[in-house]
Amino acid sequence: DIQLTQSPSFLSASVGDRVSITCRASQGVSNYLAWYQQKPGKAPNLLIYAASTLQSGVPSRFSGSGSGTDFTLTIIGLQPEDFATYYCQHLHSFGGGTKVEIK
Amino acid sequence: QVQLQESGPGLVKPSETLSLTCSVSGDSFSRYYWTWIRQSPGEELEWIGYIYHSGTTNYNPSLKSRVAILVDTSKNQFSLRLNSVTTADTAVYYCARIVWWDHYYMDVWGKGTTVTVSS
Repeated sequence: DIQLTQSPSFLSASVGDRVSITCRASQGVSNYLAWYQQKPGKAPNLLIYAASTLQSGVPSRFSGSGSGTDFTLTIIGLQPEDFATYYCQHLHSFGGGTKVEIK
Repeated sequence: QVQLQESGPGLVKPSETLSLTCSVSGDSFSRYYWTWIRQSPGEELEWIGYIYHSGTTNYNPSLKSRVAILVDTSKNQFSLRLNSVTTADTAVYYCARIVWWDHYYMDVWGKGTTVTVSS
């Protein structure tokens, strides 16, 4: 099975910041990579699929990039509602998560 | 708009069988794959398995010997059975819809249901 490694595991940032989260696959996955946001007590919510396609209804401050083994989720202009945990996913594998907290 | 709702007991005794149902409303049930995913307290997401309306299934190898996912197309429901549970199976269980024809991702999730394994 392909392993997904996210970094950092924890990120402290301020409202308005630009943040980037990385997901590295143990072998090439083309662009079969999705990103989810999860808030405490809630189900994950799809943000991006196909590495860079924004899911309908997701704010444009979120963007995804990458192909092969290295992927990035970027949030430009962090908002209070963006403080959450983010996961990458390829087929049946999930990354370990990145928790974004308020500095 | 499609909605998924998990249901089932919130407490299961060790060695017994965990049974959950996911009810799907407002969607073309036969077009998608349907999956169960769980999350232990403070832990990452763990895929359990998926099913297609035809009954085709695929399971996480680490759970395969204990898990079964069934489908009832007449009710637009699919269910999870996990036998011989231990405290390690305590988790929030989510059902979700898989979009599979262009890429592969879970675009709609249920709210999740907490299952505690305890005597």
